[in-house]
Amino acid sequence: EDQVTQSPEALRLQEGESSSLNCSYTVSGLRGLFWYRQDPGKGPEFLFTLYSAGEEKEKERLKATLTKKESFLHITAPKPEDSATYLCAVDGYQKVTFGTGTKLQVIP
Amino acid sequence: NAGVTQTPKFQVLKTGQSMTLQCAQDMNHEYMSWYRQDPGMGLRLIHYSVGAGITDQGEVPNGYNVSRSTTEDFPLRLLSAAPSQTSVYFCASSHYDRNYGYTFGSGTRLTVV
Repeated sequence: EDQVTQSPEALRLQEGESSSLNCSYTVSGLRGLFWYRQDPGKGPEFLFTLYSAGEEKEKERLKATLTKKESFLHITAPKPEDSATYLCAVDGYQKVTFGTGTKLQVIP
Repeated sequence: NAGVTQTPKFQVLKTGQSMTLQCAQDMNHEYMSWYRQDPGMGLRLIHYSVGAGITDQGEVPNGYNVSRSTTEDFPLRLLSAAPSQTSVYFCASSHYDRNYGYTFGSGTRLTVV
């Protein structure tokens, strides 16, 4: 059974304090790994798709990386508007399995 | 605006009542799905469809029914509501290859009393 584990569950950062979120996964066949951002009361918003180990993608202060067993979402010099829950999901051909997310709070 | 539209945004039901959650997308996406999101459990797939006339069960299908008569619409029916179905429901769509992930609706917050 495909599994996705995200850590930490919650993260509190000072504005400008860089950090990383972790997504560990087990999947029978990885078609792709997704990162989403979810703001309170809203649906998840697509950020990245990663397909193979070694791949990296960037968007503003966010950079996602992928290995054979985990993915990292690096946040460089975060701002308060980066506060949200970040979801990781794996596409295992049969279905997409989501993690429970990391709730990020960036304090001014 | 292009996207996924869900209605209603909030709903309170009594145990045993039935209702339909509406979902419509205008992006000509082949793939549509319904998820429920509960604290500490992540998003769980209820039902999905790969095209008009084709539906299949996801991880937690019991108590829910779907149909897909058009490419645009994918309603979710609760047959006889139970308190365990209290949750936030999201509809999502994508092109079949899912390369650009899902586009999610804004959700329906359902409370069953």
